[in-house]
Amino acid sequence: DAGVIQSPRHEVTEMGQEVTLRCKPISGHNSLFWYRQTMMRGLELLIYFNNNVPIDDSGMPEDRFSAKMPNASFSTLKIQPSEPRDSAVYFCASSLGLAGAGGPTDTQYFGPGTRLTVL
Amino acid sequence: AQSVTQLGSHVSVSEGALVLLRCNYSSSVPPYLFWYVQYPNQGLQLLLKYTTGATLVKGINGFEAEFKKSETSFHLTKPSAHMSDAAEYFCAVSVWKGFQKLVFGTGTRLLVSP
Repeated sequence: DAGVIQSPRHEVTEMGQEVTLRCKPISGHNSLFWYRQTMMRGLELLIYFNNNVPIDDSGMPEDRFSAKMPNASFSTLKIQPSEPRDSAVYFCASSLGLAGAGGPTDTQYFGPGTRLTVL
Repeated sequence: AQSVTQLGSHVSVSEGALVLLRCNYSSSVPPYLFWYVQYPNQGLQLLLKYTTGATLVKGINGFEAEFKKSETSFHLTKPSAHMSDAAEYFCAVSVWKGFQKLVFGTGTRLLVSP
C-alpha cells in the first residue's frame, strides 16, 4: 500500500488567500484525522472523520478552517482566508477501526504532511 | 485529564551508546501508550504501543519500552544507537472520546554523533 498521501508537500501563500490541503487515506481505513504541528503548540488534533462523517471538530481553531470528506478516499482541509499564524505542518492520518469508531489501541498511520507558509 | 510529559527536548548520544528517552503519563484509568518517530520532513511512524498484558513492549528498529505503573512511566530504550536513529520521538496517550484521540507529548529530538 502507498500509505497516506498528502498534497501539496509544501505550500507558500500570501495572507488572505484560500488554501486547500488534500489527503488520501489508506484504502479500507474508516477513520481519518487532521492534525496541525507547530513549535508552540506541538501536535494538535483538528478534526476527526468516521466513515466520511465529521464526528469531532472541536480542535478546529476558528471558522476560517473547514474540512470535508466527500468519499472514503479523499479529504480536504481548507483555510479561507489564510493568516500568517496558520503557518504550520498539517498532517493527515488514517486508521482502521474494526467496529464503528474503532478502539483506543488502534494504530494511526500518518501522511508526510504539508508544510504551509503564509506570508 | 490524560496527558504525557517528555523529559528533555533534546538528547545526545554517541553511536553505539544506550538510548533512553523518558515519558511519564498522567491518567486516572489504565492508559494506552504509544511511541512514534518522526524523521526529518516525514510523517509520524509508530514504533510501538502498550495496550494490556506484557509490560515490556518491543517495537521496530530495536526499540523497546517498559510500562511501569508504579512510576507512571513508559520510557523508550535502545541498547545501541545508530546514526539512522536521529529523529524526533513522540510519546502519546490514547484518550477515548467516543473515538481515539491521541494526546502527544512535546517530543524529544535524538541526536547521534559518530
